[in-house]
Amino acid sequence: QSVLTQPPSASGTPGQRVTISCSGSSSNIGINTVNWYQHLPGTAPKLLIYSDNQRPSGVPDRISGSKSGSSASLAISGLRSEDEADYFCETWDDSLNGKVFGGGTKLTVL
Amino acid sequence: EVQLVESGGGLVQPGGSLRLSCAASGFTFSTYAMTWVRQAPGKGLEWVSAVSGSGGNTYFADSVKGRFTISRDNSKSTLYLQMNSLRAEDTAIYYCAKGPNWNPMYYALDVWGQGTTVTVSS
Repeated sequence: QSVLTQPPSASGTPGQRVTISCSGSSSNIGINTVNWYQHLPGTAPKLLIYSDNQRPSGVPDRISGSKSGSSASLAISGLRSEDEADYFCETWDDSLNGKVFGGGTKLTVL
Repeated sequence: EVQLVESGGGLVQPGGSLRLSCAASGFTFSTYAMTWVRQAPGKGLEWVSAVSGSGGNTYFADSVKGRFTISRDNSKSTLYLQMNSLRAEDTAIYYCAKGPNWNPMYYALDVWGQGTTVTVSS
């Protein structure tokens, strides 16, 4: 059972917009910033969003992040086949004194 | 180019020990916090441990506290994870990752290695 809750799966057709939610609590998302990673099995995870809504250089602006209260969301617009991957949210938990990840969401491009 | 390369994984019996290494290049290693994250088969990512840039501050997940030790040799640009009293549930791909500054708390992991596989089985 992960500290951060994500839907196990999401899907969309090419060109669509999909959102992935991440729910936490007052000891983690409620007081700390959220980061998002893309992970393809067998490869190194890739940072997509940091500090709730900031994109590292090289990440396209069709990918965005937002946060409200103790929940965060990742949005991918103009869906492409190469977006098919696992997506994880992450933040620091002040009660656990450590990082916590969501359980991951498998995105399928239909 | 910033690069992280893990090594040291393998097959070990329950109760055994293993030391993982993560060789860093392309950046001033001592300036940045480093973290270990693992992924068990069919599971999500799990944070394991982190260390500050100087090595003076360390953090551990409850699941490994007292069994794992994290350290770094800044003169060799290398991160280590000493794993003792290994259990079947420690079986996973272990990734090392770099933070954006010296502090391992709060911040994102901006560069990751490809991982090394640890299998704990008799």
